[in-house]
Amino acid sequence: AQKITQTQPGMFVQEKEAVTLDCTYDTSDQSYGLFWYKQPSSGEMIFLIYQGSYDEQNATEGRYSLNFQKARKSANLVISASQLGDSAMYFCAMRIYGNNRLAFGKGNQVVVIP
Amino acid sequence: SAVISQKPSRDICQRGTSLTIQCQVDSQVTMMFWYRQQPGQSLTLIATANQGSEATYESGFVIDKFPISRPNLTFSTLTVSNMSPEDSSIYLCSVEGKGYLSYGYTFGSGTRLTVV
Repeated sequence: AQKITQTQPGMFVQEKEAVTLDCTYDTSDQSYGLFWYKQPSSGEMIFLIYQGSYDEQNATEGRYSLNFQKARKSANLVISASQLGDSAMYFCAMRIYGNNRLAFGKGNQVVVIP
Repeated sequence: SAVISQKPSRDICQRGTSLTIQCQVDSQVTMMFWYRQQPGQSLTLIATANQGSEATYESGFVIDKFPISRPNLTFSTLTVSNMSPEDSSIYLCSVEGKGYLSYGYTFGSGTRLTVV
């Protein structure tokens, strides 16, 4: 079974600075997808970025980029130029090819301060 | 990506009662997923709902407690039955995004349930 690990404690980030959220995963499958979601205090889950296991380039979506290191089984999220609206919980998730379930990590709390 | 309308957004319920949560999707989808997020915790998959067949429940979740309906390809309900304070959680429905393995799963806005 796949496992997602997010161990960082809550983080305070200065507005306009970059922040990196760590995510490591464990799977024996070769085909999988990695996802990051943002959950503000309202509770909704907002899809941010996706990285496929066979993608050679790191995924980027606006201010979000994913630092994918396949050999180390890590998929860290980088948020550049933090904004106050970035304050939220961030969840890393994984899906295995042929399996429609998403497995989530425990999440990282980010608070952006002015 | 699909748009999901989830109702109610929040509710406060008495123990021993039941609450039905609805999710309506703006396009036809094969599978719908129901998650529970207990306070301060991550998301845990409750069950996968396919149209025309019984839902598939994950370990630790049973149909008597969380009955699910999937009458068509755009709609599903989850009922939380005989509620206790331990059922206080956010419940979310989700569907797969377009494009296999990509574009993320879309989630409903969540139902924040408090059982008193």
